[in-house]
Amino acid sequence: GENVEQHPSTLSVQEGDSAVIKCTYSDSASNYFPWYKQELGKGPQLIIDIRSNVGEKKDQRIAVTLNKTAKHFSLHITETQPEDSAVYFCAASLEAGTALIFGKGTTLSVSS
Amino acid sequence: GAVVSQHPSWVICKSGTSVKIECRSLDFQATTMFWYRQFPKQSLMLMATSNEGSKATYEQGVEKDKFLINHASLTLSTLTVTSAHPEDSSFYICSARDSGATDTQYFGPGTRLTVL
Repeated sequence: GENVEQHPSTLSVQEGDSAVIKCTYSDSASNYFPWYKQELGKGPQLIIDIRSNVGEKKDQRIAVTLNKTAKHFSLHITETQPEDSAVYFCAASLEAGTALIFGKGTTLSVSS
Repeated sequence: GAVVSQHPSWVICKSGTSVKIECRSLDFQATTMFWYRQFPKQSLMLMATSNEGSKATYEQGVEKDKFLINHASLTLSTLTVTSAHPEDSSFYICSARDSGATDTQYFGPGTRLTVL
């Protein structure tokens, strides 16, 4: 089955810096890769996703890149703000709407 | 955006009792819903996939007789933890598939279960 590895497990940055979180997956059949932000005691919130027919997608300060050949994808957050502090999860699935396999999460801390 | 609710948000029960958790899609129909379990400071682990009108598909290692799932309508799925024990204490999160334009999965806010 699919296995998703996520690094780093913790990441501390200064406000205004960029943050990068990387994930690798094992199943070449996976075609959908979402990123979720989870705040303490709450459910995950989708922040951006990418499908396998696209190499990069951007939404304001957030971008995701996908390298299908190498089976890895990354989340890039620019101009970080304290409110970006949370746990971020990457996930993979065969296609959008199917069961997700999650990475172990990255705790991002943005200090002002 | 699409909203998924869960009820209750937290519950405390005694060992041996059963607890039902509801997951509702508020502004879209969800033919498929998913149930995840999350231990403190850990990732989400898929428990089962619930399809409206049919039996749930459970992941390996998840006891279907202990975690009863019912998806009776296009907006409601329920998870019942039967004969709960302290090791069942966890954060249970559902998600619902919006099979409209985007096929996006939206997550509920989660239910914190504590079994004494």
